Amino acid sequence: NAGVMQNPRHLVRRRGQEARLRCSPMKGHSHVYWYRQLPEEGLKFMVYLQKENIIDESGMPKERFSAEFPKEGPSILRIQQVVRGDSAAYFCASSTDSLAKNIQYFGAGTRLSVL
Amino acid sequence: AQTVTQSQPEMSVQEAETVTLSCTYDTSESDYYLFWYKQPPSRQMILVIRQEAYKQQNATENRFSVNFQKAAKSFSLKISDSQLGDAAMYFCAYSLYGNKLVFGAGTILRVKS
Repeated sequence: NAGVMQNPRHLVRRRGQEARLRCSPMKGHSHVYWYRQLPEEGLKFMVYLQKENIIDESGMPKERFSAEFPKEGPSILRIQQVVRGDSAAYFCASSTDSLAKNIQYFGAGTRLSVL
Repeated sequence: AQTVTQSQPEMSVQEAETVTLSCTYDTSESDYYLFWYKQPPSRQMILVIRQEAYKQQNATENRFSVNFQKAAKSFSLKISDSQLGDAAMYFCAYSLYGNKLVFGAGTILRVKS
């Protein structure tokens, strides 16, 4: 059973370009969370999605950032017109439909570098 | 808003010794979950241990155990018989049922041979 898969592992963009980060949850998981980790800091929640629905986007910047989790395919975190301050590690986590365990399993992260 | 505080930016322990990492949190909820995650240099987030707030018994996982003090809102992690592979950043985290994780700033643990 594969874990949470994120790609790419490293992404380099120039200022003003778009960044697309992908996350495939663990098999059987329909809840996806995105977190951002700035250098030397802890992880900060960005958005929580279920299939085709955004449940909580309270941590998402109001502009340039969007997320989706379509019925088919991976979850996508999209950053438009990237700026140097977007450089960070972005982690995706997934959990099962059964919330009894309430455990989030993390991917290895995507490190975004903005030149 | 819930907050999680880790007051020790860095800790060191001798191999085979015991170390305790501190964590306090602030919440007005009565039912919640607490976690310790480990982040080695690979940056992969690995769940170490979890605690349900309604359970009085402290969680244990092999060499890892917690001291959960609900009234004091304290959740410390004890690592016994420390090994070189335990060296990592450790994050304390809080969540409500089925909800986002709120992380502390982390504690770097160094293990000396």
